[in-house]
Amino acid sequence: DGGITQSPKYLFRKEGQNVTLSCEQNLNHDAMYWYRQDPGQGLRLIYYSQIVNDFQKGDIAEGYSVSREKKESFPLTVTSAQKNPTAFYLCASMNVDRGRGYTFGSGTRLTVV
Amino acid sequence: AQRVTQPEKLLSVFKGAPVELKCNYSYSGSPELFWYVQYSRQRLQLLLRHISRESIKGFTADLNKGETSFHLKKPFAQEEDSAMYYCALSGGGSYIPTFGRGTSLIVHP
Repeated sequence: DGGITQSPKYLFRKEGQNVTLSCEQNLNHDAMYWYRQDPGQGLRLIYYSQIVNDFQKGDIAEGYSVSREKKESFPLTVTSAQKNPTAFYLCASMNVDRGRGYTFGSGTRLTVV
Repeated sequence: AQRVTQPEKLLSVFKGAPVELKCNYSYSGSPELFWYVQYSRQRLQLLLRHISRESIKGFTADLNKGETSFHLKKPFAQEEDSAMYYCALSGGGSYIPTFGRGTSLIVHP
């Protein structure tokens, strides 16, 4: 059953800690993306990767880091430098045939305690 | 620069009434437009794309280049249509869509 899996579903972080959110896809999609979803602000792009070992900053990359060592995986690290990390994080992937649109994961809700 | 505007944060209708979720865009070239939907407790998913000219779950959307709009319409709303709807635009060879802020549709019984 093809799809995109995010884990964990809920994550709690203490102030000053780094945490890593997992995103794995078995759709053989080339491109993967991380978005942050906040109420009333829609989806804002954090980082994206269109090919293995390459990634680009999105609109709100500060305080985040990513890696793309494998086609299937695109983990996001929320660092202690991110001032307001409490949010819902969405991972997405897409075939380079962009007309097909995104496939989204089910999201990770990160809360700083 | 490309921009997507969804002017309504919330749209509330009764079951059986027509519904129109507005989407306006700003882009100088030929855009690709999408509607995504997020039902309660479900993941965000693609609803329809303008290039397909399809009708999904009774919803249609027509690209109006003159008015730079891509409004989502359904003639008779159902309670199960209650969800968050996002309009998105890709353009200029970029695979990365710009999303609107979303409209929450509530269909009352």
